[in-house]
Amino acid sequence: QEHLVESGGGVVQPGRSLRLSCAASGFTFRDYGLHWVRQAPGEGLEWAALIWNDGSNKNYADSVKGRFTISRDNSRNTLYLQMNSLRVEDTAVYYCTRDIWGSDAFDLWGQGTTVTVSP
Amino acid sequence: QSALTQPRSVSGSPGQSVTISCTGTSSDVGGYNYVSWYQQHPGKVPKLMIYDISKRPSGVPDRFSGSRSGNTASLTISGLQADDEADYYCCSYAVNSRIFGGGTKLTVL
Repeated sequence: QEHLVESGGGVVQPGRSLRLSCAASGFTFRDYGLHWVRQAPGEGLEWAALIWNDGSNKNYADSVKGRFTISRDNSRNTLYLQMNSLRVEDTAVYYCTRDIWGSDAFDLWGQGTTVTVSP
Repeated sequence: QSALTQPRSVSGSPGQSVTISCTGTSSDVGGYNYVSWYQQHPGKVPKLMIYDISKRPSGVPDRFSGSRSGNTASLTISGLQADDEADYYCCSYAVNSRIFGGGTKLTVL
């Protein structure tokens, strides 16, 4: 079975850093583009970042650009999100998601990891 | 990167049909054939229901269908069932980004 499992969430003060991880299993990790999607408490979904299957291209939402860095290790089947200069408004559940094969949609989601930024 | 526009809520009775709209621009919804829809029950992970405007992933009932006219995409759910009650989000490809709608709460009366 195909799985994505996030980890690394927690409570952090504004201005601090946190690194999220997403471990994949059950599929050929290096063949797929991956994204981070977040959801603030009681709010809707917000796309945050994407990385191509080979890591050669990365894109970010304006809200995280310059502060967050997406990366992947295809030898470890793991996706990362380095979050620096965290703000209260970054508080959310962070989901790791996979691009559907041959198209553009999120067909596989992790269970999410919660990040709380609080003074 | 403004969010796509969805109605806050829609409702329908069991067996009826409802349609949820998703309005963007020619730079996202109207410009690419990459509109997708997600269902999210409270406290659960989102689930892909429609991709490429109108395609259904394996396992999604054919009661769910998608379409697009101009800069507005639509999700139609026919034969409403109690379990369809959930939040629904559209999402569109845009150059160097992806854009979600604000979400629509579907209530099955």
